[in-house]
Amino acid sequence: EVQLLESGGDLVQPGGSLRLSCAASGFTFSSYAMTWVRQAPGKGLEWVSHVGNTGNTYYADSVKGRFTGSRDNSKNTLYLQMNSLTAADTAVYYCVKRDSSGWFHYWGQGTLVTVSS
Amino acid sequence: DIQLTQSPSFLSASVGDRVTITCRASHDISSFLAWYQQKPGKAPKPLIYAASTLQSGVPSRFSGGGSGTDFTLTISSLQPDDSATYYCQHFRSYPLTFGGGTRVEI
Repeated sequence: EVQLLESGGDLVQPGGSLRLSCAASGFTFSSYAMTWVRQAPGKGLEWVSHVGNTGNTYYADSVKGRFTGSRDNSKNTLYLQMNSLTAADTAVYYCVKRDSSGWFHYWGQGTLVTVSS
Repeated sequence: DIQLTQSPSFLSASVGDRVTITCRASHDISSFLAWYQQKPGKAPKPLIYAASTLQSGVPSRFSGGGSGTDFTLTISSLQPDDSATYYCQHFRSYPLTFGGGTRVEI
């Protein structure tokens, strides 16, 4: 059974940093691309970052230059390093396993990031 | 960037009704489109991928159609459990984007 367990969400001050983690199990982690998707309170879904199985990355314009996605295939873990946080980054962040054809197959339960003073 | 426009943003229907949600892409995305269902406080659940392929375990009352720029999600006979918000999403190229969502009220 595929499991994705996010952690690291917290209350952080504007301008601060946070690192999210996603522990994956139930599949060959190193073979699949992974993605971060976020959802601000009461709002829709927003794709944030893609991390390919070899570590190649893509980012939404809203986070480019501030967020860095990475992975440790030896630990079956996906990361999202978030810097220069603003209130607009307040959201539930979901870790997602992509299917080999590209769609978002399995989702974690999400971790809440709140940016506020 | 490819924009996805969903309509309507809200719909109210009765049990047994046939409902259709549309998703229009700003550029040709072939069949690189998926649909997701989200209930309050829960992670999204995939329903349809490759525009028309039903994800395993999803009831057959759900169906998807279209290609290129115009897509539909149809629920053939609405059930109480279908009360949720539905999102389309393309995976044709980066940046990946979602539609704005359609809230379905029973």
